[in-house]
Amino acid sequence: GAVVSQHPSWVICKSGTSVKIECRSLDFQATTMFWYRQFPKQSLMLMATSNEGSKATYEQGVEKDKFLINHASLTLSTLTVTSAHPEDSSFYICSASTSGNTEAFFGQGTRLTVV
Amino acid sequence: SQQGEEDPQALSIQEGENATMNCSYKTSINNLQWYRQNSGRGLVHLILIRSNEREKHSGRLRVTLDTSKKSSSLLITASRAADTASYFCASLGYSSASKIIFGSGTRLSIRP
Repeated sequence: GAVVSQHPSWVICKSGTSVKIECRSLDFQATTMFWYRQFPKQSLMLMATSNEGSKATYEQGVEKDKFLINHASLTLSTLTVTSAHPEDSSFYICSASTSGNTEAFFGQGTRLTVV
Repeated sequence: SQQGEEDPQALSIQEGENATMNCSYKTSINNLQWYRQNSGRGLVHLILIRSNEREKHSGRLRVTLDTSKKSSSLLITASRAADTASYFCASLGYSSASKIIFGSGTRLSIRP
């Protein structure tokens, strides 16, 4: 099956710093990528949808200036958590789908801890 | 809420018994997928069922889909301790702008 690589798998950062998470589709072209956040014992909540070469579409309640998403190529999307706060500590997962959007493939997730 | 609903929220059964989880979604779908997630880990894709399919099997897994009721079920037969995990359904709509929306999840515990 298609492989999506997410990096890093975990990161600890200080409050006020920025953290970048990468999501790469290794063996297919991802026209659309999705970013999710998951708090402990909860489900995955969609944060934003990005299409290659265009601005991301953010879900209601997600601050676009805080969670910067870049989808500059068909194999790479990045999520940057700017000025991180402890409440941003969460599990972030990306997903990539191909043209036609018939199936999505997930990265292994990034556990972010802000101290 | 963007989420679909799953029930039960938590399920505890004896090893060897069957486990059934249900999922409801809100909009018309292209397909629906089921995932397993062990605590603190990433998602493991279990099975995908398309909107024109009613039932699908994969090993000990059986998935049904009822598009008229906008619901799906996941049956795990002959459960094992290793099946202990959270299970999520994820629905995908038709258009190129569709989002993948997750259900609220079921936490399954298998008692030895």
